[in-house]
Amino acid sequence: SAVISQKPSRDICQRGTSLTIQCQVDSQVTMMFWYRQQPGQSLTLIATANQGSEATYESGFVIDKFPISRPNLTFSTLTVSNMSPEDSSIYLCSVERLTLGTEAFFGQGTRLTVV
Amino acid sequence: EDQVTQSPEALRLQEGESSSLNCSYTVSGLRGLFWYRQDPGKGPEFLFTLYSAGEEKEKERLKATLTKKESFLHITAPKPEDSATYLCAVQSSGGYQKVTFGTGTKLQVIP
Repeated sequence: SAVISQKPSRDICQRGTSLTIQCQVDSQVTMMFWYRQQPGQSLTLIATANQGSEATYESGFVIDKFPISRPNLTFSTLTVSNMSPEDSSIYLCSVERLTLGTEAFFGQGTRLTVV
Repeated sequence: EDQVTQSPEALRLQEGESSSLNCSYTVSGLRGLFWYRQDPGKGPEFLFTLYSAGEEKEKERLKATLTKKESFLHITAPKPEDSATYLCAVQSSGGYQKVTFGTGTKLQVIP
């Protein structure tokens, strides 16, 4: 399996500020994704982080609010900008690795609380 | 639009009482169906990928099966440590291969 390190594991932030979440993978991967999991709900895809180009965002998510970087094949960041209490959620990094099939792995998540 | 529906929402089993979790899906073209286990406060843990109808995969007390419309996660003689939320997701083969998750089944195994 891929080892994914996600930082920070949790944070409490003031509204109006921004937080950058880092995702580091122990090996090169083809695809990296960012998800949000709101309390008691399942996972919603925010965007696909593309290496060397702009991220691909899902409906309802925009680059100004959730800027994403992916400078190489093992690292990505997600920034939650101008935060409000509605942004309180768990944010998860995921990677897909093509071996004999498709395997997708998740980091441990960042639990964000906006006050 | 791709859709994933999991049932039941919650399941309570006695230790050793086998059962099945259901995942019904609609997708324009299936690239893969995933099963994950998620413990509270943690990220999902990958269990299986299934690719085509008739395929089966096993891991310890878990067995996943796939038809053209649904997947089942069979749990044989569960133990309390199997208590978790089990998530199903589908990846479409079209476009940029988006993954869509169901809302999960919360399993509790009682000693």
